[in-house]
Amino acid sequence: NAGVTQTPKFRVLKTGQSMTLLCAQDMNHEYMYWYRQDPGMGLRLIHYSVGEGTTAKGEVPDGYNVSRLKKQNFLLGLESAAPSQTSVYFCASRPVNTGELFFGEGSRLTVL
Amino acid sequence: TQLLEQSPQFLSIQEGENLTVYCNSSSVFSSLQWYRQEPGEGPVLLVTVVTGGEVKKLKRLTFQFGDARKDSSLHITAAQPGDTGLYLCAGASTGGFKTIFGAGTRLFVKA
Repeated sequence: NAGVTQTPKFRVLKTGQSMTLLCAQDMNHEYMYWYRQDPGMGLRLIHYSVGEGTTAKGEVPDGYNVSRLKKQNFLLGLESAAPSQTSVYFCASRPVNTGELFFGEGSRLTVL
Repeated sequence: TQLLEQSPQFLSIQEGENLTVYCNSSSVFSSLQWYRQEPGEGPVLLVTVVTGGEVKKLKRLTFQFGDARKDSSLHITAAQPGDTGLYLCAGASTGGFKTIFGAGTRLFVKA
């Protein structure tokens, strides 16, 4: 049972480059989330989606865009990467009727 | 903006000791959750507390939700090396869609 799968697991970018992180879940969850985790700062919400075709901003949305074209996928894009976006990114999903978040294993991004 | 403050940020104790981790906010949450995260993995849910004053036990772990639903605590009895990890509290917003996290408590239990 795959659960929540993130690709890629690791990526190194140069400042100004663009990239997309893909999150796929096979649990038919309505809600999906992108968080970033930095030392001493816990998990900070970037964007989230409450259903196919809908997205909303979280706590730290600047510099990121997202899309939810299919219910099972949630994409996180960086149009012009900056060193401040060096972080570990986690995708999560949850069903409507419970608050439990199911996380992927994370994607480590380094921007030089 | 709803914020969750966790304390302590770091805890290093000997096997067999007891410990308590605190999660505080000035905001009311519809529910609070505790997650545990190990290196290289995503957080995994330990418990959800919903009712003010609620106490839940999970083996040696005791979770409490404050009466006003603004704070929570995690107490571990007779800690073991296997308890080592990052413990995160998380609160569901009153709208129910967003979940925000505290900064986490990194626990290290020495054998």
